[in-house]
Amino acid sequence: SQQGEEDPQALSIQEGENATMNCSYKTSINNLQWYRQNSGRGLVHLILIRSNEREKHSGRLRVTLDTSKKSSSLLITASRAADTASYFCATDAYGANSKLTFGKGITLSVRP
Amino acid sequence: DAGVTQSPTHLIKTRGQQVTLRCSPKSGHDTVSWYQQALGQGPQFIFQYYEEEERQRGNFPDRFSGHQFPNYSSELNVNALLLGDSALYLCASSLAGTKTGELFFGEGSRLTVL
Repeated sequence: SQQGEEDPQALSIQEGENATMNCSYKTSINNLQWYRQNSGRGLVHLILIRSNEREKHSGRLRVTLDTSKKSSSLLITASRAADTASYFCATDAYGANSKLTFGKGITLSVRP
Repeated sequence: DAGVTQSPTHLIKTRGQQVTLRCSPKSGHDTVSWYQQALGQGPQFIFQYYEEEERQRGNFPDRFSGHQFPNYSSELNVNALLLGDSALYLCASSLAGTKTGELFFGEGSRLTVL
């Protein structure tokens, strides 16, 4: 079963705009991660936030975590056409190196 | 630095057949996890191997089995294939004992069952 639920399911923006994607989950977590997938290929890890962290930055990425609401958001600033991909949030409930439970993903299209 | 490699990249089977997928983890990694991704869905955890043993298993039937070799590479076997087994099968590697849970994924093996 899917743990995470991302929204929106699809997002289309203009190059240079910011993209905000949200993820909600159901059970207590250890970490929450975001991954990107280009056209049905392998997933690429973007950023990880621990359950005791509230915000984290990596380059043009900003992720927030609200454990009281069981939700997270991923912000991509100054988007580029190359950011076009599917984005997934994934949670692990039992500690590092335990199984990840993924959401259904968000399809982001960035128009040049 | 070699990343995660999977083979074959694509394959077509018919119902009832058996398939074996292979994975070599990223250099230095000792843990291999397998995920199934149906079209339009997120990856679903199948199982994880560490020290040549299955350590965790998701909600998949016994038709799905695996193996890890002493060099940490791994195989996923699926018996008695069903149409619903058509999916992208992803292998991910990691290092046990790490404080993070970051996974490194291969490009996947796309299985079509006719």
